[in-house]
Amino acid sequence: QVQLVQSGAEVKKPGASVRISCKPSGYTFKFYGIHWVRQAPGQGLEWMGWINTGNGNTGNSQNFQDRVTITRDTSASTVYMELSSLRSEDTTVYYCVRDSSGYYDYWGQGTLVTVSS
Amino acid sequence: EIVLTQSPGTLSLSPGERATLSCRASQSVSSSLAWYQQKPGQAPRLLISGTSNRATGIPDRFIGSGSGTDFILTISRLEPEDFAVYYCQQYGGSSRTFGQGTKVEVK
Repeated sequence: QVQLVQSGAEVKKPGASVRISCKPSGYTFKFYGIHWVRQAPGQGLEWMGWINTGNGNTGNSQNFQDRVTITRDTSASTVYMELSSLRSEDTTVYYCVRDSSGYYDYWGQGTLVTVSS
Repeated sequence: EIVLTQSPGTLSLSPGERATLSCRASQSVSSSLAWYQQKPGQAPRLLISGTSNRATGIPDRFIGSGSGTDFILTISRLEPEDFAVYYCQQYGGSSRTFGQGTKVEVK
């Protein structure tokens, strides 16, 4: 069955960076893009960016400008999302999701990132 | 960026009643709209894609309709497990966006 397994919770200081991993299984890695979505506590969903796991092309939401970097390691069938210059507002749960031609049919379990001094 | 506006913010209903949730886009997304359900402590779950196509395993009491800028998710008869937050998401634009959510709560 399809699963997206994310790395564990992180605690970071303001100004630092965080890198979260997402390892899909149950399907051919390069056949589906991976997107990242975040959700602040008690709040809605915010789209962050994407990667084409086949050719490595990426795109980000303008809301994050150059703070988000999404990469993939094809040998490990893993996608990474790095968020830099962390601030308190980045304290949220981050989800990786499988892109099925625009909508998201499978979600990771979520990774809580806490930004605190 | 295409903005999605969901209404109402909260819907208070009883089991067995019909729920009607609205999602309005700031510009046309054609039929490129999905709906998700989220329960506390869980990741969202895909309900509907392409405006009206139920995902695998989703009961037929969940009905999606609309096109262009106006979309509706109808839950024909609420079951106890349907009380949750529902989000719409568009994929008709160059980027993806979500609505702010509608909470369906027990009256």
